[in-house]
Order: sequence, then C-alpha cells, then structure tokens
Amino acid sequence: GNSVTQMEGPVTLSEEAFLTINCTYTATGYPSLFWYVQYPGEGLQLLLKATKADDKGSNKGFEATYRKETTSFHLEKGSVQVSDSAVYFCALRGSSASKIIFGSGTRLSIRP
Amino acid sequence: EAQVTQNPRYLITVTGKKLTVTCSQNMNHEYMSWYRQDPGLGLRQIYYSMNVEVTDKGDVPEGYKVSRKEKRNFPLILESPSPNQTSLYFCASSFLAGGPVETQYFGPGTRLLVL
Repeated sequence: GNSVTQMEGPVTLSEEAFLTINCTYTATGYPSLFWYVQYPGEGLQLLLKATKADDKGSNKGFEATYRKETTSFHLEKGSVQVSDSAVYFCALRGSSASKIIFGSGTRLSIRP
Repeated sequence: EAQVTQNPRYLITVTGKKLTVTCSQNMNHEYMSWYRQDPGLGLRQIYYSMNVEVTDKGDVPEGYKVSRKEKRNFPLILESPSPNQTSLYFCASSFLAGGPVETQYFGPGTRLLVL
C-alpha cells in the first residue's frame, strides 16, 4: 500500500541556516505530494504541493521537487526564521484513491 | 470566510459515555475526513466521505462512527469511548482530486481526554 516516510525530529537549527527535511514515498501510479505545516495549537495548513514528476512546489521560501526516480519530495528552505518553528508533515494522495496519507511529522525548532 | 469548524474544542469524558464531535465546512467541499493525531504517529485517518451518504473507513476506524447526511456536516461519533481514544482530532475537507484546488482545509482540532 501507499506510505510516506519522513525524517524523524526534532530538528533544531539556528536562524538563517539551510533546511532540508527528507521525505520518501511508496505508491502505485502517480500520486500527488504535499507538505503541510502545523503551528503550535493550530490545525494543519497546506504549505506546498506537486502533482506530477519534476514539478516543484514552492511557498513562503520553502521548496520541494517531485522526484519520481528517487520517490522523494524533500522540503528545503535556504534561510530559516524563528517563525518557521512548527511541525512539518509530508503527505500523498494516490492517483485513484481518495485518502491522504501523512508521514509522522518532523518538529522543527529555530534558535534566534 | 472559508473555514472548517469543530465543536467542542476540548472535551473530558469518562469511559463508555457516548459523545459526538461535530464538523462543519462552508466551502461546498465534496470530500471530508477525520484524523487523529498522536505523538510519534502523525495523523492517521479514521473515516472519510466522498459525498453525501458516501463514507468509508480509513486506517483506524475501530471504535468510531460517522455520518454524512448533509454536504456541509460530518460528525464523528464515539459510541463507547475508551482511554485509548484520548487524542487530538482533526476534521478536514477538500474538493475531490482532479479539481482546481486539491487542498485540504483543516479544522482547529478537538482535544479529547477519556478517563
């Protein structure tokens, strides 16, 4: 079945550092891929998405590229800010399914 | 304002006492879903609904029921809650895959404690 694996946290970085959160997936067909962000005390919000191979999703300085050859969708940001501290979830929706499958989440903390 | 609302936001109950958590969306979304979030496990889907009167089990449906009598509402029912259902619950909605906006909107969450 479909699944998502993302790097375990917590991840702690200093402000302005480069961020990578790894995400790999297993799926049949051509899934859509997502990154969601959950700020403290809030529900999840869609951060970015990609719906086909080689697509790059981007938002708020974050980027992720849909790599079918490596079944990956790693999240990157060139210079993180304290306000980026949150939990990040990688997720996929199968091409024929109605379910969205989430990874276990990666907690990111940014030091001033 | 486009939103998903859940009620109650916090609930403490005792084992075996039936409860309902309501979920409502005002975006005319076909798809609605319930998740539970537990530390180290991320979000796991409980039930989902593709449209009115169409519901299906997610990954962890045991102990839960849902109904979809109206498009905007998708209540989660715990007929006989147990302590292992203590969790943070999220409702979400979206247009179905293939639409112009494939985005799930999440409610603010309901924190449930079962004693």
